[in-house]
Amino acid sequence: EVRLVESGGGLVKPGGSLRLSCEASGFSFKNYSMNWVRQSPTKGLEWVATISGSNNYIYHADSVEGRFTISRDNAKNSLYLQMNSLRVEDTAVYYCTRDRVSYGLVDVWGKGTTVTVSS
Amino acid sequence: DIQMTQSPSSLSASVGDRVTITCQASQDIGNFLNWYQQKPGKAPSLLIYRASNLQAGVPSRFTGSGSGTDFSFTISSLQPDDFATYYCQHYDDLPPTFGRGTKVTIK
Repeated sequence: EVRLVESGGGLVKPGGSLRLSCEASGFSFKNYSMNWVRQSPTKGLEWVATISGSNNYIYHADSVEGRFTISRDNAKNSLYLQMNSLRVEDTAVYYCTRDRVSYGLVDVWGKGTTVTVSS
Repeated sequence: DIQMTQSPSSLSASVGDRVTITCQASQDIGNFLNWYQQKPGKAPSLLIYRASNLQAGVPSRFTGSGSGTDFSFTISSLQPDDFATYYCQHYDDLPPTFGRGTKVTIK
């Protein structure tokens, strides 16, 4: 069974940091590009970051550029999102997702982990 | 970024009804358009990819059509399990962007 399991969410003060993790199973992780997508009541579904299977292409949305960093460890079948300088508007459910064939064709979603930024 | 305008934002329908949702892109995206279903407290789930292709395991009552800037999504005969929120999403380039969603509720 193909599974993505996120962890690392929580409550953090503005300006703080969090590291999200996503453990993948049931497929050949290194062969797929992966993403973080977030969802909030105010902004809806929002693309956060993408990383290619071989680590040679990385994209971050303008809204997180310079603050968030996507990375992966193919030996551990794991995806990460390092989030620094967090803002109230980063509050959302963060989903780990898998692309099929093309960047953006998301065919598998994790259950999500909640990040709350509040003082 | 490409903007996706989805309508209506909500609709009320009965079991057995035919339901259609539209999605308009702010520029030509070819057929790089997905449709997702989301139920409360759950992650979205892929239903249709590349505008009209049914994801494996998805019932055939779900269909998609369109190309360029105008797309539509239809449920031919609404079933009790279909009451949910539906989203369109382009993937013509990065970043992919989503519509604001259509919430389908029971009449």
